[in-house]
Amino acid sequence: AQKITQTQPGMFVQEKEAVTLDCTYDTSDPSYGLFWYKQPSSGEMIFLIYQGSYDQQNATEGRYSLNFQKARKSANLVISASQLGDSAMYFCAMSPNAGNMLTFGGGTRLMVKP
Amino acid sequence: DTAVSQTPKYLVTQMGNDKSIKCEQNLGHDTMYWYKQDSKKFLKIMFSYNNKELIINETVPNRFSPKSPDKAHLNLHINSLELGDSAVYFCASSQDGSWVDTQYFGPGTRLTVL
Repeated sequence: AQKITQTQPGMFVQEKEAVTLDCTYDTSDPSYGLFWYKQPSSGEMIFLIYQGSYDQQNATEGRYSLNFQKARKSANLVISASQLGDSAMYFCAMSPNAGNMLTFGGGTRLMVKP
Repeated sequence: DTAVSQTPKYLVTQMGNDKSIKCEQNLGHDTMYWYKQDSKKFLKIMFSYNNKELIINETVPNRFSPKSPDKAHLNLHINSLELGDSAVYFCASSQDGSWVDTQYFGPGTRLTVL
């Protein structure tokens, strides 16, 4: 069974600064995918970034990057140059080797201060 | 233009009733899912379905049943609603259900059972 842990229930960051949201995972699968989703107060789930377990390089998508440390089983999300619109819940998720039923972490609420 | 849509957005009903939530995707994906988000924002997979296979999370009560009239639709039918069924239900879809696939979520349906 897979498990995702997000240890930061809530975080503040100053506008224009970078912030790292932590995610650790536990799995015995040799292959897996790691995802980050954003959920603003309006409620929708927005896909941000994906990292495959075999990917050698850390994934990047615009201001989002994923700091993937396989040996430590961590997949932290880094948001550069925070904007007020980044205030939201952020969820880390994993897909197992056997299929794509995502297991989610408990989420981190990020609040960007002006 | 909406990739994954759900109706209704809000659903308020009495205990013991039967209700359905509809989901449609226009992405041409083969696999669809239902997730439940509880009041603490925790997201949990309920079902994964493509035209070949239904995978049920073993913790889902059999009062919940997915129904797929075609590849673009996966409706969620709930019998004998209980107070604990109150939650936000998200539909999602992905290309072929593999572990490298990204899932795209609908806007969610907030179900309130009185």
